[in-house]
Amino acid sequence: AQKVTQAQTEISVVEKEDVTLDCVYETRDTTYYLFWYKQPPSGELVFLIRRNSFDEQNEISGRYSWNFQKSTSSFNFTITASQVVDSAVYFCALSDRGTYKYIFGTGTRLKVLA
Amino acid sequence: EAQVTQNPRYLITVTGKKLTVTCSQNMNHEYMSWYRQDPGLGLRQIYYSMNVEVTDKGDVPEGYKVSRKEKRNFPLILESPSPNQTSLYFCASTFGTSGQETQYFGPGTRLLVL
Repeated sequence: AQKVTQAQTEISVVEKEDVTLDCVYETRDTTYYLFWYKQPPSGELVFLIRRNSFDEQNEISGRYSWNFQKSTSSFNFTITASQVVDSAVYFCALSDRGTYKYIFGTGTRLKVLA
Repeated sequence: EAQVTQNPRYLITVTGKKLTVTCSQNMNHEYMSWYRQDPGLGLRQIYYSMNVEVTDKGDVPEGYKVSRKEKRNFPLILESPSPNQTSLYFCASTFGTSGQETQYFGPGTRLLVL
């Protein structure tokens, strides 16, 4: 069965600190897709990244970076030099190829304090 | 502007009174989906549709119905709402096959069932 675990319910950091949000997934499929979404206080869901299971390259986008490790079934998200505007709930999600089903983690609430 | 719209955005109703939440997308996407978001549970998929007249259950379909008569619309129907269906609902759409594309989310519908 598919499962996504975000063990960190809430994290608080001071502005400019680096922070890593953990995501561990379970799936029996060999081809799958992983996602991160951001939900700011306004409530909308903002797509951040999609990673295919056959592409283990890490990715950096500005202050955001993602570390995908198949060996540990993890897809962690790091924010460098965090800012108050990064305060949000972040969701990790998994979809097996061909299933059209998306499994979301329970989310991590990040609070960045000025 | 590419977007997914949902109506209404907020709804208060009473137990047993049938209601419909509409979802419409203007991107000619084949795939559409409904989720509910509850505290501590993240997003859970209710129903999804791969194309017109093709729908399937997600993880929490009980108490909900959907239809896909047109490509752009995917309404969520609660025939007899109950208080445990009080939640934040999101509609999403994407082009192409599972996991290959970004899911675009609507702004959400906050439902309170008394």
